[in-house]
Amino acid sequence: AIQMTQSPSSLSASVGARVTITCRPSEAVGNAVAWYQQKPNSAPKLLIYTATTLQSGVPSRFSGSSSGRDFTLTISSLHPDDFATYYCLHDYSFPFTFGQGTKLEI
Amino acid sequence: EVQLVESGGGVVQPGGSLRLSCAASGFTFDDFAMHWVRQAPGKGLEWVSLINGGGISKSYADSLRGRFTVSRDNSKNSLFLQMNNLRPEDSALYYCAKDRLRYASGTSPESWGQGTLVTVSS
Repeated sequence: AIQMTQSPSSLSASVGARVTITCRPSEAVGNAVAWYQQKPNSAPKLLIYTATTLQSGVPSRFSGSSSGRDFTLTISSLHPDDFATYYCLHDYSFPFTFGQGTKLEI
Repeated sequence: EVQLVESGGGVVQPGGSLRLSCAASGFTFDDFAMHWVRQAPGKGLEWVSLINGGGISKSYADSLRGRFTVSRDNSKNSLFLQMNNLRPEDSALYYCAKDRLRYASGTSPESWGQGTLVTVSS
C-alpha cells in the first residue's frame, strides 16, 4: 500500500499567519491527493481534491499544490475558524491511505 | 441535501461480529461509490473500504485481512459493513462517506455521516 507521510504533526500559528502542511507519498500518485479538515467531534470536510481543485464552498484562502512528489496544503491567512486537524489522502490506487494528520493550534 | 446516517455500532467482545448500516438520502445512491472510514479514539483517519455503485467492485485496507465485508442494497439506499472476528484495535468511530464523482470507481470521499461507535472489549 502507498504510505502518505504528513508533516508537521502539529503546528502553532496565529490568526493572519500563512501556514503550509506537506504530504509525501511513498510512490508516485499522479495528482490523486485530497485534503480534509476535521474539527473536534465532527466529521471530516473535503477542502481540496486532485491536488489543486478547491471544493465548492471552501474559502479561497485554502489552496493545494504539488512539487515533485510532495503535495502541500496552504492557508494564506489563518482565520479563527481554521484551527483544526488536517489530513491528506491519496486516491490513486486501492487501498487509499490517509496521512497521519496535522493539528493546527493557536 | 446529502444525508448519511450510520447505525449498528455498540460494544462487542473480542472475536465477535457486528454489522454496520448507513442509510443514504438526497442523491441517486446507485450512481456513487461509497466508502467506510474509521477513527480510533484520539487517533487519525483510516480508510477501510469502498464499494462501487453497482456493488460489484470492492476494495479493503490491507490491515483488515479479510475480516470485513462491504455490501450495499441499492433498492433501499443502504450501505453495510459486516465485521467479523473483531479485535480491540478495531474500536473506532466508523463513518460512511459518499464518493465525490458520479459513476466513478472510487475517488476522494466527499460527504460524510456522523459515524457510529464500535467498542471491542471484554
